[in-house]
Amino acid sequence: QQPVQSPQAVILREGEDAVINCSSSKALYSVHWYRQKHGEAPVFLMILLKGGEQKGHDKISASFNEKKQQSSLYLTASQLSYSGTYFCGTEVSYNQGGKLIFGQGTELSVKP
Amino acid sequence: EAQVTQNPRYLITVTGKKLTVTCSQNMNHEYMSWYRQDPGLGLRQIYYSMNVEVTDKGDVPEGYKVSRKEKRNFPLILESPSPNQTSLYFCASSNWAGGGQPQHFGDGTRLSIL
Repeated sequence: QQPVQSPQAVILREGEDAVINCSSSKALYSVHWYRQKHGEAPVFLMILLKGGEQKGHDKISASFNEKKQQSSLYLTASQLSYSGTYFCGTEVSYNQGGKLIFGQGTELSVKP
Repeated sequence: EAQVTQNPRYLITVTGKKLTVTCSQNMNHEYMSWYRQDPGLGLRQIYYSMNVEVTDKGDVPEGYKVSRKEKRNFPLILESPSPNQTSLYFCASSNWAGGGQPQHFGDGTRLSIL
Protein backbone atom coordinates (compact mmCIF):
# COMPACT_ATOMS: atom_id res chain seq x y z
CA GLN A 1 0.00 0.00 0.00
CA GLN A 2 1.26 3.42 -0.98
CA PRO A 3 2.65 5.57 1.88
CA VAL A 4 0.93 8.90 2.44
CA GLN A 5 2.92 12.11 2.22
CA SER A 6 1.93 15.45 3.70
CA PRO A 7 1.65 18.19 2.81
CA GLN A 8 0.98 17.73 -0.90
CA ALA A 9 2.52 21.09 -1.68
CA VAL A 10 4.35 23.85 0.18
CA ILE A 11 5.60 27.27 -0.81
CA LEU A 12 8.50 28.82 1.09
CA ARG A 13 10.56 31.95 1.04
CA GLU A 14 14.32 31.50 0.86
CA GLY A 15 15.67 30.85 4.34
CA GLU A 16 12.48 29.35 5.76
CA ASP A 17 12.20 25.82 7.11
CA ALA A 18 9.92 22.98 6.01
CA VAL A 19 8.94 19.51 7.16
CA ILE A 20 7.62 16.77 4.88
CA ASN A 21 6.01 13.71 6.44
CA CYS A 22 5.64 10.16 5.18
CA SER A 23 3.33 7.65 6.88
CA SER A 24 2.82 3.97 6.20
CA SER A 25 0.18 1.53 7.40
CA LYS A 26 2.73 -1.30 7.25
CA ALA A 27 5.75 -2.12 9.38
CA LEU A 28 8.79 -0.79 7.57
CA TYR A 29 12.36 -1.95 7.10
CA SER A 30 13.58 1.30 5.58
CA VAL A 31 12.52 4.68 4.25
CA HIS A 32 14.18 6.35 1.25
CA TRP A 33 13.97 10.03 0.29
CA TYR A 34 14.40 11.32 -3.26
CA ARG A 35 14.09 14.74 -4.89
CA GLN A 36 12.93 15.26 -8.47
CA LYS A 37 13.35 18.48 -10.42
CA HIS A 38 10.79 19.13 -13.12
CA GLY A 39 11.46 17.00 -16.18
CA GLU A 40 14.38 15.18 -14.58
CA ALA A 41 14.99 11.84 -12.89
CA PRO A 42 14.55 11.40 -9.14
CA VAL A 43 17.81 11.84 -7.23
CA PHE A 44 18.64 9.93 -4.05
CA LEU A 45 18.89 12.00 -0.82
CA MET A 46 19.12 9.49 2.02
CA ILE A 47 17.97 6.16 3.46
CA LEU A 48 16.89 5.50 7.03
CA LEU A 49 16.81 1.97 8.40
CA LYS A 50 14.57 0.78 11.19
CA GLY A 51 16.00 1.58 14.57
CA GLY A 52 14.81 5.16 14.78
CA GLU A 53 17.92 6.69 13.31
CA GLN A 54 18.30 10.21 12.11
CA LYS A 55 20.43 11.32 9.20
CA GLY A 56 21.52 14.61 7.77
CA HIS A 57 23.18 16.06 4.75
CA ASP A 58 24.03 19.73 4.81
CA LYS A 59 20.78 21.41 5.86
CA ILE A 60 18.52 18.49 4.96
CA SER A 61 17.92 15.84 7.59
CA ALA A 62 15.42 13.08 8.25
CA SER A 63 14.13 10.91 11.05
CA PHE A 64 12.37 7.55 11.16
CA ASN A 65 9.98 6.62 13.93
CA GLU A 66 9.76 2.85 13.66
CA LYS A 67 6.90 2.52 16.15
CA LYS A 68 4.69 4.94 14.27
CA GLN A 69 5.91 3.87 10.81
CA GLN A 70 6.55 7.49 10.01
CA SER A 71 9.45 9.41 8.56
CA SER A 72 9.97 13.15 8.37
CA LEU A 73 12.27 15.14 6.10
CA TYR A 74 13.51 18.46 7.50
CA LEU A 75 14.72 21.22 5.21
CA THR A 76 16.42 24.00 7.14
CA ALA A 77 17.13 27.50 5.84
CA SER A 78 15.79 26.55 2.42
CA GLN A 79 17.60 27.55 -0.73
CA LEU A 80 16.23 28.09 -4.24
CA SER A 81 17.91 24.83 -5.27
CA TYR A 82 15.65 22.90 -2.86
CA SER A 83 12.66 23.40 -5.14
CA GLY A 84 11.27 20.20 -6.60
CA THR A 85 9.08 17.26 -5.76
CA TYR A 86 10.10 15.11 -2.82
CA PHE A 87 9.21 11.43 -2.68
CA CYS A 88 9.51 8.97 0.14
CA GLY A 89 9.92 5.31 -0.77
CA THR A 90 9.28 2.52 1.70
CA GLU A 91 10.59 -1.03 1.98
CA VAL A 92 8.68 -3.46 4.17
CA SER A 93 11.23 -6.23 4.25
CA TYR A 94 14.95 -6.85 3.85
CA ASN A 95 14.08 -9.98 1.87
CA GLN A 96 11.94 -8.34 -0.79
CA GLY A 97 14.96 -7.51 -2.87
CA GLY A 98 14.68 -3.77 -2.70
CA LYS A 99 11.01 -3.46 -3.67
CA LEU A 100 10.21 0.20 -3.07
CA ILE A 101 6.75 1.70 -2.81
CA PHE A 102 6.72 5.46 -3.31
CA GLY A 103 4.41 8.08 -1.88
CA GLN A 104 2.53 10.47 -4.15
CA GLY A 105 5.10 13.23 -3.67
CA THR A 106 5.30 16.68 -2.06
CA GLU A 107 5.89 19.65 -4.32
CA LEU A 108 8.19 22.22 -2.71
CA SER A 109 8.62 25.70 -4.17
CA VAL A 110 11.19 28.07 -2.74
CA LYS A 111 10.76 31.71 -3.75
CA PRO A 112 13.39 34.47 -3.51
CA GLU B 1 30.55 7.47 -15.78
CA ALA B 2 28.12 5.38 -13.72
CA GLN B 3 24.70 5.62 -15.26
CA VAL B 4 21.37 4.10 -16.17
CA THR B 5 20.53 4.64 -19.84
CA GLN B 6 17.03 4.49 -21.27
CA ASN B 7 16.02 4.60 -24.92
CA PRO B 8 14.12 6.17 -26.48
CA ARG B 9 13.66 9.35 -24.43
CA TYR B 10 10.46 10.25 -26.25
CA LEU B 11 8.08 8.14 -28.32
CA ILE B 12 4.72 8.81 -29.91
CA THR B 13 3.02 5.73 -31.31
CA VAL B 14 -0.39 4.25 -31.99
CA THR B 15 -2.58 1.77 -30.17
CA GLY B 16 -1.61 -1.85 -30.70
CA LYS B 17 1.85 -1.33 -32.17
CA LYS B 18 4.35 -3.31 -30.10
CA LEU B 19 7.18 -1.32 -28.60
CA THR B 20 10.22 -1.89 -26.42
CA VAL B 21 11.91 0.58 -24.10
CA THR B 22 15.47 -0.40 -23.36
CA CYS B 23 17.30 0.09 -20.07
CA SER B 24 20.97 -0.54 -19.49
CA GLN B 25 23.18 0.08 -16.46
CA ASN B 26 26.97 0.00 -16.23
CA MET B 27 27.30 -0.35 -12.44
CA ASN B 28 27.03 -4.16 -12.23
CA HIS B 29 23.87 -3.77 -10.15
CA GLU B 30 21.84 -6.87 -9.34
CA TYR B 31 18.53 -5.10 -8.82
CA MET B 32 16.63 -3.31 -11.60
CA SER B 33 13.13 -1.92 -11.72
CA TRP B 34 10.62 -0.11 -13.93
CA TYR B 35 8.29 2.64 -12.71
CA ARG B 36 5.65 4.74 -14.32
CA GLN B 37 4.95 8.27 -13.16
CA ASP B 38 1.57 9.93 -13.54
CA PRO B 39 0.48 13.31 -12.11
CA GLY B 40 -0.68 13.02 -8.51
CA LEU B 41 0.15 9.31 -8.28
CA GLY B 42 3.87 9.39 -7.70
CA LEU B 43 6.08 6.57 -8.94
CA ARG B 44 4.39 3.20 -9.27
CA GLN B 45 6.41 0.07 -9.75
CA ILE B 46 5.65 -2.04 -12.83
CA TYR B 47 8.16 -4.90 -12.60
CA TYR B 48 11.41 -5.52 -10.83
CA SER B 49 14.27 -7.98 -11.09
CA MET B 50 16.60 -9.18 -8.36
CA ASN B 51 19.05 -10.80 -10.77
CA VAL B 52 19.39 -12.46 -14.17
CA GLU B 53 16.31 -14.54 -15.03
CA VAL B 54 14.58 -13.44 -11.79
CA THR B 55 11.69 -11.02 -12.28
CA ASP B 56 8.54 -10.22 -10.32
CA LYS B 57 5.46 -8.06 -10.63
CA GLY B 58 5.23 -4.68 -9.01
CA ASP B 59 2.02 -2.81 -8.31
CA VAL B 60 0.86 -2.08 -11.88
CA PRO B 61 2.13 -4.91 -14.15
CA GLU B 62 -0.92 -5.29 -16.43
CA GLY B 63 -0.11 -4.71 -20.09
CA TYR B 64 3.67 -4.91 -19.63
CA LYS B 65 6.35 -7.57 -19.99
CA VAL B 66 10.00 -7.62 -18.99
CA SER B 67 12.98 -9.88 -19.38
CA ARG B 68 16.38 -10.07 -17.70
CA LYS B 69 18.70 -12.16 -19.83
CA GLU B 70 21.80 -10.13 -19.02
CA LYS B 71 22.71 -8.41 -15.79
CA ARG B 72 23.07 -4.97 -17.37
CA ASN B 73 19.85 -4.91 -19.44
CA PHE B 74 16.19 -4.83 -18.40
CA PRO B 75 13.89 -3.99 -21.33
CA LEU B 76 10.24 -3.06 -20.87
CA ILE B 77 7.90 -4.46 -23.53
CA LEU B 78 4.43 -3.21 -24.38
CA GLU B 79 2.97 -5.94 -26.60
CA SER B 80 -0.24 -4.06 -27.46
CA PRO B 81 0.00 -0.51 -26.13
CA SER B 82 -3.16 1.37 -25.21
CA PRO B 83 -3.76 5.07 -24.47
CA ASN B 84 -3.90 4.44 -20.70
CA GLN B 85 -0.22 3.51 -20.89
CA THR B 86 0.67 7.05 -21.88
CA SER B 87 3.03 8.05 -19.11
CA LEU B 88 6.56 8.93 -18.04
CA TYR B 89 8.62 5.78 -17.44
CA PHE B 90 11.74 5.41 -15.32
CA CYS B 91 14.18 2.56 -15.06
CA ALA B 92 16.23 2.25 -11.87
CA SER B 93 18.98 0.02 -10.54
CA SER B 94 20.61 -0.57 -7.18
CA ASN B 95 23.72 -2.25 -5.95
CA TRP B 96 22.36 -5.28 -4.17
CA ALA B 97 19.24 -7.33 -3.96
CA GLY B 98 18.90 -6.75 -0.23
CA GLY B 99 17.16 -3.79 1.29
CA GLY B 100 18.40 -0.35 2.19
CA GLN B 101 20.26 0.44 -1.02
CA PRO B 102 19.81 3.69 -2.97
CA GLN B 103 18.26 3.43 -6.39
CA HIS B 104 19.83 5.11 -9.41
CA PHE B 105 17.33 6.33 -12.00
CA GLY B 106 17.58 6.73 -15.73
CA ASP B 107 16.55 10.01 -17.37
CA GLY B 108 13.07 8.76 -18.22
CA THR B 109 11.08 7.85 -21.33
CA ARG B 110 7.97 9.82 -22.19
CA LEU B 111 5.50 7.60 -24.06
CA SER B 112 2.41 8.85 -25.83
CA ILE B 113 0.00 6.20 -27.14
CA LEU B 114 -2.57 7.62 -29.56
